[in-house]
Amino acid sequence: SAVISQKPSRDICQRGTSLTIQCQVDSQVTMMFWYRQQPGQSLTLIATANQGSEATYESGFVIDKFPISRPNLTFSTLTVSNMSPEDSSIYLCSVAPAALISRGGGPRVEAFFGQGTRLTVV
Amino acid sequence: GEDVEQSLFLSVREGDSSVINCTYTDSSSTYLYWYKQEPGAGLQLLTYIFSNMDMKQDQRLTVLLNKKDKHLSLRIADTQTGDSAIYFCAALRIYNQGGKLIFGQGTELSVKP
Repeated sequence: SAVISQKPSRDICQRGTSLTIQCQVDSQVTMMFWYRQQPGQSLTLIATANQGSEATYESGFVIDKFPISRPNLTFSTLTVSNMSPEDSSIYLCSVAPAALISRGGGPRVEAFFGQGTRLTVV
Repeated sequence: GEDVEQSLFLSVREGDSSVINCTYTDSSSTYLYWYKQEPGAGLQLLTYIFSNMDMKQDQRLTVLLNKKDKHLSLRIADTQTGDSAIYFCAALRIYNQGGKLIFGQGTELSVKP
């Protein structure tokens, strides 16, 4: 299994500022995913971060608001820019082992999550 | 696109069995997952099932998959108060370069002593 560390675990930020969330994995992974969980709701995928290429954003999410870095196979950051109270959420990073990208499946198909970053914007 | 639906609440008595249900729309979903989220915590992977299986058992957990009806269930035997949490079902879609998980809304399980 992959161990994922996210920092910070929580933060309270002023409106209009930006926060960068870090995600560190203890093994090399091809793809990393960033999710948002708004209060009382399920998880929504923000974007997929691939090493060496630009992130792929889901509908409703844009790079200017949620810039992502993926400098190597064990690390990624998500920035929440120009924050407003509506951005108050839990942000989670997730990893998919390389085997996951094989259409035939593979021995490791679990998707692992960090503990999340609880963000409150005031 | 993919849609995953769950009922929002389930209440059971300690010692009873709990059954949490989930439906999904995309028949090409290859893996289906159950995650547990306790208050203030992240997601914990409980179990998963490959789409060519119809049942998987892991200690107190039994997953049943009806691929024809696109219906997934999680049965927890001998439910304990420590099982109180939100349970998310998720469907994995694999596309050209990877995959993504689509989550249901989560079912809040309340276990009464």
